Amino acid sequence: KNEVEQSPQNLTAQEGEFITINCSYSVGISALHWLQQHPGGGIVSLFMLSSGKKKHGRLIATINIQEKHSSLHITASHPRDSAVYICAVRNFGNEKLTFGTGTRLTIIP
Amino acid sequence: DTGVSQNPRHKITKRGQNVTFRCDPISEHNRLYWYRQTLGQGPEFLTYFQNEAQLEKSRLLSDRFSAERPKGSFSTLEIQRTEQGDSAMYLCASSLDAGRWKLFFGSGTQLSVL
Repeated sequence: KNEVEQSPQNLTAQEGEFITINCSYSVGISALHWLQQHPGGGIVSLFMLSSGKKKHGRLIATINIQEKHSSLHITASHPRDSAVYICAVRNFGNEKLTFGTGTRLTIIP
Repeated sequence: DTGVSQNPRHKITKRGQNVTFRCDPISEHNRLYWYRQTLGQGPEFLTYFQNEAQLEKSRLLSDRFSAERPKGSFSTLEIQRTEQGDSAMYLCASSLDAGRWKLFFGSGTQLSVL
C-alpha cells in the first residue's frame, strides 16, 4: 500500500505570496495527480505527471521520481486560490488512486 | 457536455434504509470510479469500471455496497441497510483511459445517515 503524505496540512498566506505544497509517497508510482477541492466537494484535476515539471498559468507542479516527492507551486497567489489541494498517486498495475489528506490553503487579501 | 453529473446532491436517510446514488460520466469516457470522502480526509477508492465491467473493488466495499454500470454509461451505487458510519461524500469520477488522461470528478452526493 502506498502511503501519501502532504505538508503542510494548513497554510495561510497573504495575497501575492509564493506558495509551495509538498507531497511524498512511499512506493514507486506510474503517475501523480494534483487536485483542487473547493467547499461543497467539487474536485478539479490540476495536473497529472509522471516525470519532470508541468506549468499551467500560475500553477507549477514538479515531481522527483527518485526521491518520491512532488511539489505544487502557486505564484502570485490570489484569494480565489483558497481551496484544499490534494495529491493522489497511481501505483503500477493498479487502477485506484491513493490520496493524501490534503492541504487547506487560505489566501488573505 | 457539462461534465460528470451526480444525483442526488444530498441524501438524508434513517439508519437501516437503502439508498441509491447515480453517476453520469462524460459521455465518451470508458472508465468510471467511485470514491468516498469523510470530513478532513482525502477520498478513498471504492470501485472502478471499464465500460460495463467492474474490474476492481476495495475492501471498503462491504457486502452492503453494490455498484453497477449496466450499459457502460451511467453507474449506480447502492448501500443497503445504511449505518451511521456510511455518512460521507460519495464521489464519482470518469476518464477516457487510465494512464494518460485526467480524471474528471462530479460534485458528489453527501449522505447523512441519522
